[in-house]
Amino acid sequence: AQKITQTQPGMFVQEKEAVTLDCTYDTSDQSYGLFWYKQPSSGEMIFLIYQGSYDEQNATEGRYSLNFQKARKSANLVISASQLGDSAMYFCAMTLNNAGNMLTFGGGTRLMVKP
Amino acid sequence: KAGVTQTPRYLIKTRGQQVTLSCSPISGHRSVSWYQQTPGQGLQFLFEYFSETQRNKGNFPGRFSGRQFSNSRSEMNVSTLELGDSALYLCASSPSPSSYNSPLHFGNGTRLTVT
Repeated sequence: AQKITQTQPGMFVQEKEAVTLDCTYDTSDQSYGLFWYKQPSSGEMIFLIYQGSYDEQNATEGRYSLNFQKARKSANLVISASQLGDSAMYFCAMTLNNAGNMLTFGGGTRLMVKP
Repeated sequence: KAGVTQTPRYLIKTRGQQVTLSCSPISGHRSVSWYQQTPGQGLQFLFEYFSETQRNKGNFPGRFSGRQFSNSRSEMNVSTLELGDSALYLCASSPSPSSYNSPLHFGNGTRLTVT
């Protein structure tokens, strides 16, 4: 069974600075996908970025980039130029190629951006 | 395009009662999956439907059930409610039968409180 670990329950970052949220995963499958979602206090899960296990380049989406290190089984999220609106819970999630739309989530990291 | 719509947003029920939650996916999305979010257990997969067929089911008791209609709308039902069923229930939709390279789109959730 696959497992996602997020070791940072909470983090502070100064506005306009960059921050890295850690995510490690464990699976014996070779075909998998990794996601990051943001959950504001409203509850909705907002998709941020995706990385496939066979993608050789790190994924980027605007201010979000995913630092994918396959050998270390890590998929850290980097947010550049933090904004106050980035304050939220962030979840790392994984899916397997043969698992339909079933995601396994990590425990989440609460990010707080200081003005 | 309208996003994933979940109704109701909030529910308060008494132990032993049953409850039905509704989810309308994004237009054209044929996959609907359900997740339970609690402070203790985090985000856990409940089940997934694609074209009215249940494809995957998480590790939850039989009190949790669901169905999908021909218009892709989905309902989940929890019978004989327990205090531990208090949670945020999130619905997600996708146009694809696999999230391997297609992110899920989540609704705002239904917050269920069992007293």
